[in-house]
Amino acid sequence: DGGITQSPKYLFRKEGQNVTLSCEQNLNHDAMYWYRQDPGQGLRLIYYSQIVNDFQKGDIAEGYSVSREKKESFPLTVTSAQKNPTAFYLCASSIEANIFRGELFFGEGSRLTVL
Amino acid sequence: GENVEQHPSTLSVQEGDSAVIKCTYSDSASNYFPWYKQELGKGPQLIIDIRSNVGEKKDQRIAVTLNKTAKHFSLHITETQPEDSAVYFCAAPFTASKLTFGTGTRLQVTL
Repeated sequence: DGGITQSPKYLFRKEGQNVTLSCEQNLNHDAMYWYRQDPGQGLRLIYYSQIVNDFQKGDIAEGYSVSREKKESFPLTVTSAQKNPTAFYLCASSIEANIFRGELFFGEGSRLTVL
Repeated sequence: GENVEQHPSTLSVQEGDSAVIKCTYSDSASNYFPWYKQELGKGPQLIIDIRSNVGEKKDQRIAVTLNKTAKHFSLHITETQPEDSAVYFCAAPFTASKLTFGTGTRLQVTL
């Protein structure tokens, strides 16, 4: 089935460690996104990529990094510079970069807990 | 600035009653307004959207209304069922490549 796969579903890390969240899509979508979800704050955009080898910062990019070396993959690294990394992370894709043309398809999320 | 306000944050209704969730947005240039439903432990999923050239759109038990003058749009769910229990997000684009979400409404449908 086509869709977005995020892994791992749950992740624990110690303070000061970097961690990478995986996001893979087989929908042949051009655009991919990373959102962070915290209780009472909705979904906030971290990074997005409209095309391979290109990505832009969203509203809360500090302490995060991404890469887009392949169309189907958009991994997110949560670095030790992120002050409050405990959150639920959602990856999404859309058929093209123009939001007005279609919906976002979301993965099932990765819950990161920093101990 | 880019802002989408959503109310209420929690909503409890009895099965069979209607539920209404309201959102306001700040950028008058926005012309696409989707609603997403997030079930427990899953990612959000688009349930309905509306574009600014129409005032209302219906899909079975759900409908969305848009008032561009007042810059607000609403989700209406009629004849609610237990499976409607979820978190609902409204959203609006402030650029062609970025969707800004509201803070979410947790809907609980009780028997």
